[in-house]
Amino acid sequence: GAGVSQSPRYKVTKRGQDVALRCDPISGHVSLYWYRQALGQGPEFLTYFNYEAQQDKSGLPNDRFSAERPEGSISTLTIQRTEQRDSAMYRCASSPRLKNGAGELFFGEGSRLTVL
Amino acid sequence: GENVEQHPSTLSVQEGDSAVIKCTYSDSASNYFPWYKQELGKRPQLIIDIRSNVGEKKDQRIAVTLNKTAKHFSLHITETQPEDSAVYFCAASRRLIYNQGGKLIFGQGTELSVKP
Repeated sequence: GAGVSQSPRYKVTKRGQDVALRCDPISGHVSLYWYRQALGQGPEFLTYFNYEAQQDKSGLPNDRFSAERPEGSISTLTIQRTEQRDSAMYRCASSPRLKNGAGELFFGEGSRLTVL
Repeated sequence: GENVEQHPSTLSVQEGDSAVIKCTYSDSASNYFPWYKQELGKRPQLIIDIRSNVGEKKDQRIAVTLNKTAKHFSLHITETQPEDSAVYFCAASRRLIYNQGGKLIFGQGTELSVKP
């Protein structure tokens, strides 16, 4: 596809269930980011990868959250034992190799998670 | 940790007036500062960016200025039009490796309303 693809677009789950959110970045993009965005708020950093290496996971709220990008392309964000406070829009973004330290992030449409 | 503060949270202007949005950052090692525009129900999209070796950058009606000493940067929109109405986010990151992305932290957003 031409853009960043995320699935599922909408996910409703019951408290305590595990969920996996998938991100398929633009082909060839080096960096992949996960953000969480509440309505009317800025994207909140969760984690990011350069190629398959997770560079920073300091934004993951707790150990129920994890992410991987095993082959340097598709990434999965997993939330275990979901809680109502996990309900949010989860956005993935990818960026190409930087030019002189600058690079645009291309965002996906997001996965809206609702935990009942 | 890194933090980006953005002001104001809402801004209303008359069509044709100028709009200014300001951000401050805490990480003195930050060297890349993009601005994203997010229309209602859509994904954020890059509108302009600036690197730390430049004090000002302009692209038609949009300009960004950077004051590294004070650790703040601003977005200026001149001759505003109704289609400029959206939420604008500033962000800051440091480049860790020449051609690979760094942790990008967003501000809380400014909802700009341009009244015809």
